[in-house]
Amino acid sequence: DGGITQSPKYLFRKEGQNVTLSCEQNLNHDAMYWYRQDPGQGLRLIYYSQIVNDFQKGDIAEGYSVSREKKESFPLTVTSAQKNPTAFYLCASTLDRDTEAFFGQGTRLTVV
Amino acid sequence: AQSVTQLGSHVSVSEGALVLLRCNYSSSVPPYLFWYVQYPNQGLQLLLKYTTGATLVKGINGFEAEFKKSETSFHLTKPSAHMSDAAEYFCAVSGPWGYSTLTFGKGTMLLVSP
Repeated sequence: DGGITQSPKYLFRKEGQNVTLSCEQNLNHDAMYWYRQDPGQGLRLIYYSQIVNDFQKGDIAEGYSVSREKKESFPLTVTSAQKNPTAFYLCASTLDRDTEAFFGQGTRLTVV
Repeated sequence: AQSVTQLGSHVSVSEGALVLLRCNYSSSVPPYLFWYVQYPNQGLQLLLKYTTGATLVKGINGFEAEFKKSETSFHLTKPSAHMSDAAEYFCAVSGPWGYSTLTFGKGTMLLVSP
């Protein structure tokens, strides 16, 4: 079945460490997105990519980095510069710019 | 600029009662509007969407929503709540970076009691 796979489901990081969250899709979608979810805050856009080798900042890109070397993959790195990284991270994809987003199951990142 | 306001962080209903979740939006361009549902520790699932055309939109699991441009609203309703409807619901508007980037409301947790 087609879908979006995020891994790992749970991730623990020590302060000062970088960590990379994986997002893979086999839907043949052109565009991919990373959102951050905090309790009571809804979802906020971190980065998005509409084509391979191109990506754009969203609302809250500071302290994060991404790459889009392959159409099916859009990993997110949470760097030590992100002051409050503990959150639920959701990856999404769309077929093109004007269609609804499909979401992965999320990665819960906790800084210990 | 896009924004979404969901009235009520928590809504409680009895099983079999009407569900009404409120959503108001602002958008600088004609909006696409969405409702998503999220179960604990899971991703978001699309319930329904409005892009153009008919303003009453029907979605999955018996939910529907009506786009009212004059009121800038897109409220979600279901005639009869079921225990399995208990979840968090998010309203979203397209933009600001193209129609596929989304601006979300803060969510409404629906609680269903027997």
